[in-house]
Amino acid sequence: SYVLTQPPSVSVAPGQTARITCGGNNIGSKSVHWYQQKPGQAPVLVVYDDSDRPSGIPERFSGSNSGNTATLTISRVEAGDEADYYCQVWDSSSDWVFGGGTKLTVL
Amino acid sequence: EVQLVESGGGLVQPGGSLRLSCAASGFTFSSYEMNWVRQAPGKGLEWVSYISSSGSTIYYADSVKGRFTISRDNAKNSLYLQMNSLRAEDTAVYYCARLGYGSGYYMDVWGKGTTVTVSS
Repeated sequence: SYVLTQPPSVSVAPGQTARITCGGNNIGSKSVHWYQQKPGQAPVLVVYDDSDRPSGIPERFSGSNSGNTATLTISRVEAGDEADYYCQVWDSSSDWVFGGGTKLTVL
Repeated sequence: EVQLVESGGGLVQPGGSLRLSCAASGFTFSSYEMNWVRQAPGKGLEWVSYISSSGSTIYYADSVKGRFTISRDNAKNSLYLQMNSLRAEDTAVYYCARLGYGSGYYMDVWGKGTTVTVSS
């Protein structure tokens, strides 16, 4: 089965840049999607197909994907960005796979 | 407004059954593939099941295969998850999610979830 590995936590000061990684075997050959989940709420898609943003998602959210690592980058971090973030891919042997999630703390 | 609303969760004993529903509105439900995703307390997201727009193609996670059944009624704009032989490890918030696709497959609309608790 395909496994996605995320750091459990990332901390960043307001106004700085947060980078959340998602590791997987040759993940660069797959399309990676990212979700934001705030406490008690449903997940929200923030980046799809590696680097595209759904309508309504700020340009501060961006993504990249190469080799064995995909990255979600949040620029000019705000207090409201504090949440859990999950990466996700589709794999022919595992279907829909989620990473374990990363808790973003805004200091 | 595009919306998904889950219902049917509750407290059930181990070995029991429960049927979850998801009501869709604001989009042409019959044109979209759908998924169920769950989240155990304090844990991450876990994909549970997929159904094609017509209902002809279905997939399940190994953890629920043989116990859960996904179905849909396009005339009623509704998605269902029949859960049998429930176990304590099935305790979770269950979300229905619409499938979107570009170069990959992702979940672009989520419901707020319904909570299932399996306990004696």
